[in-house]
Amino acid sequence: QKEVEQDPGPLSVPEGAIVSLNCTYSNSAFQYFMWYRQYSRKGPELLMYTYSSGNKEDGRFTAQVDKSSKYISLFIRDSQPSDSATYLCPNTGNQFYFGTGTSLTVIP
Amino acid sequence: DGGITQSPKYLFRKEGQNVTLSCEQNLNHDAMYWYRQDPGQGLRLIYYSQIVNDFQKGDIAEGYSVSREKKESFPLTVTSAQKNPTAFYLCASSGGKEKLFFGSGTQLSVL
Repeated sequence: QKEVEQDPGPLSVPEGAIVSLNCTYSNSAFQYFMWYRQYSRKGPELLMYTYSSGNKEDGRFTAQVDKSSKYISLFIRDSQPSDSATYLCPNTGNQFYFGTGTSLTVIP
Repeated sequence: DGGITQSPKYLFRKEGQNVTLSCEQNLNHDAMYWYRQDPGQGLRLIYYSQIVNDFQKGDIAEGYSVSREKKESFPLTVTSAQKNPTAFYLCASSGGKEKLFFGSGTQLSVL
């Protein structure tokens, strides 16, 4: 069921850095793409949602989808300590499978 | 406020005991899911239900049971057959093939 592969991390960056998180998927039938953010011992929250190739921007966050390469990315500009969390990109079939995600730590 | 409510937040199980985790949603979503998360690990699917009175096993259903008698409720029972139940359990719901929404989780520990 591993139709999405995510860079495992962990990732540690200084405050203010630009962060790039990446996933690749194998099922070309995927039509919509999501990024979730999970703080420790909390439920994941939907961070970004897109269904087309190209970029979608929301504040400091940009989701990028390249359907031809089956590649999705999340960019975080001006990273903050509050961005320290695990970021997840699930497959988007009927069962919503998640990988281990990428753990990000932003150091003040 | 619309959302998903999981209870209790913390739960302790004695050996040989069955325990039930509650999940309620008022989002009018058809699909509901249960995931298990172990420390430093990803989310693993236990059971899911796409409609009332129907549910399917996920990857790690052994030792667990569910019911879906009402649209808004999807309780998970951790049975005595689950020998390693200590984990963080997450319930989620979806109104379609997109945008999964999660509850705040239940931490289950063994006494």
